[in-house]
Amino acid sequence: DGGITQSPKYLFRKEGQNVTLSCEQNLNHDAMYWYRQDPGQGLRLIYYSQIVNDFQKGDIAEGYSVSREKKESFPLTVTSAQKNPTAFYLCASRVTSGGYNEQFFGPGTRLTVL
Amino acid sequence: DQQVKQNSPSLSVQEGRISILNCDYTNSMFDYFLWYKKYPAEGPTFLISISSIKDKNEDGRFTVFLNKSAKHLSLHIVPSQPGDSAVYFCAATTDKLIFGTGTRLQVFP
Repeated sequence: DGGITQSPKYLFRKEGQNVTLSCEQNLNHDAMYWYRQDPGQGLRLIYYSQIVNDFQKGDIAEGYSVSREKKESFPLTVTSAQKNPTAFYLCASRVTSGGYNEQFFGPGTRLTVL
Repeated sequence: DQQVKQNSPSLSVQEGRISILNCDYTNSMFDYFLWYKKYPAEGPTFLISISSIKDKNEDGRFTVFLNKSAKHLSLHIVPSQPGDSAVYFCAATTDKLIFGTGTRLQVFP
């Protein structure tokens, strides 16, 4: 069964700690994305990667880091430099040659920083 | 700077009636527009899209209208069903996908 998995679904961390959110896809998609959703706001792009070992900053990359060592994996680290990390984080992927109507989202991780 | 705006945060519609969700944009370079549906604690799922060269696209109960001169997009759902209750995001693309703020639709019996 192909799809995108994100783990864990809920994550709690103390302020000042780094935390890494997992995103795995078995769709053989080239491009992967991380978005953040806050109440009353749309999804905002944090980072994206179109090929392995390459990634670009999105609109709100400050305080986040990513890696793309494997095609199927695109973990996101929320660092202590992120001033307001509590949010719902969504990972997505698509075939680069395809349209955004073929972009699939994972189920999301809700991060709460205490 | 919000390039894609959904000015109605919520909408309540009776089952069987029409739901109309609106979206405005500012960037005339957007070439493709999409609507996504999102349930709580889940990722968005693609619903319907329209190219900037068209003014209407229909898929079953869902129709998207594009008015380029007004930079306005709308999604019509007819007839509305309780299962349509969700948050709807419009989005637009150039080289990136830019989302609106979302409209929460509630369809009541």
